[in-house]
Amino acid sequence: GESVGLHLPTLSVQEGDNSIINCAYSNSASDYFIWYKQESGKGPQFIIDIRSNMDKRQGQRVTVLLNKTVKHLSLQIAATQPGDSAVYFCAENGDTGNQFYFGTGTSLTVIP
Amino acid sequence: KAGVTQTPRYLIKTRGQQVTLSCSPISGHRSVSWYQQTPGQGLQFLFEYFSETQRNKGNFPGRFSGRQFSNSRSEMNVSTLELGDSALYLCASSSGGSLGYTFGSGTRLTVV
Repeated sequence: GESVGLHLPTLSVQEGDNSIINCAYSNSASDYFIWYKQESGKGPQFIIDIRSNMDKRQGQRVTVLLNKTVKHLSLQIAATQPGDSAVYFCAENGDTGNQFYFGTGTSLTVIP
Repeated sequence: KAGVTQTPRYLIKTRGQQVTLSCSPISGHRSVSWYQQTPGQGLQFLFEYFSETQRNKGNFPGRFSGRQFSNSRSEMNVSTLELGDSALYLCASSSGGSLGYTFGSGTRLTVV
């Protein structure tokens, strides 16, 4: 099966600092990746995605970097805010393309 | 447009019973996927339906089943419930491929 892992299960950052959440994936056939944010009691919320033909994509305060050589994905959050506190998951679409494999998640805590 | 709707939000069942959960996808989305999320775990893929046909299935026992109706609404059923089935069950819909993979808020199932 697929293996999508996260380097750190928890991350604490000061408000206003930048956050970096890392993710390793195992299937070189994956061509689409998504970062999700999940707050307590809610379903995962789409943050940003990236296709394998790109190595960087930027959104509002978020940037995703993809390194296919080492099968590594990262999510950068600029000027982290208390509302960013949540669990963040990376997901890859694997071989089939319409099924996602998720990491175990990184819990981000923003310290005011 | 309305998001993915899951009902009920919360459910308490007794061991040995069966349960049916419902998911209404985003209008126009024909693919519905189901995931199980347990504390400390990532999201585990159950199955995916597209145009009333199961396209993919995860590594869950046969007690877990699903179906999709002609209006794309989907149900999943768990028979002979076990304590370990207590989890947040999430469904996600998309237009058919990987893009636009959107989750509902989930159904919290507790088996006692």
